[in-house]
Amino acid sequence: EPEVTQTPSHQVTQMGQEVILRCVPISNHLYFYWYRQILGQKVEFLVSFYNNEISEKSEIFDDQFSVERPDGSNFTLKIRSTKLEDSAMYFCASNPWTVMNTEAFFGQGTRLTVV
Amino acid sequence: SQQGEEDPQALSIQEGENATMNCSYKTSINNLQWYRQNSGRGLVHLILIRSNEREKHSGRLRVTLDTSKKSSSLLITASRAADTASYFCATPPQGGSEKLVFGKGMKLTVNP
Repeated sequence: EPEVTQTPSHQVTQMGQEVILRCVPISNHLYFYWYRQILGQKVEFLVSFYNNEISEKSEIFDDQFSVERPDGSNFTLKIRSTKLEDSAMYFCASNPWTVMNTEAFFGQGTRLTVV
Repeated sequence: SQQGEEDPQALSIQEGENATMNCSYKTSINNLQWYRQNSGRGLVHLILIRSNEREKHSGRLRVTLDTSKKSSSLLITASRAADTASYFCATPPQGGSEKLVFGKGMKLTVNP
């Protein structure tokens, strides 16, 4: 069964460093997302991406964050200058169509630890 | 606004028993989705129920939706130890939003 894959599974970084989290969505999907889950808290929406551009972003997704789909398969989340509070589990998801009609398929997540 | 709050927050049952989780939401929805998360792992989609549906089944899972009460329930019948996980409801708010708004989740423990 096709699945969303994320790398790395765990990343430790120094505060102020840039990190890039990588995702390979399911190949025929059109909508791509990043969510995060701080330990013990809710899963929070960060950004949605459709037709090679951001379609929606949350208040969390400030200028420190950016997304790219550099080729036909990868979807990346970059955090330019990490803060301690960026420590969380980051999930990539993809949909064949909009979440208003179909479920999202999530990756296993990248655990980001900022020290 | 907050959507999707599960109730209870935690539930511990014996294998073979049924588990019922409730979710309430505040605004109108197109659909409501239930997800499972094993400890430290990704979210796995369980069931999507549309706003014009009242009940849906998938294997041992039964989901109901009451749009007049803005609530949904997930019933797992004949639970197994492998059902031990956190369960979340999530909704895409009406109005064309692409995001899923998740509840805090409910931790289910099924004891062998």
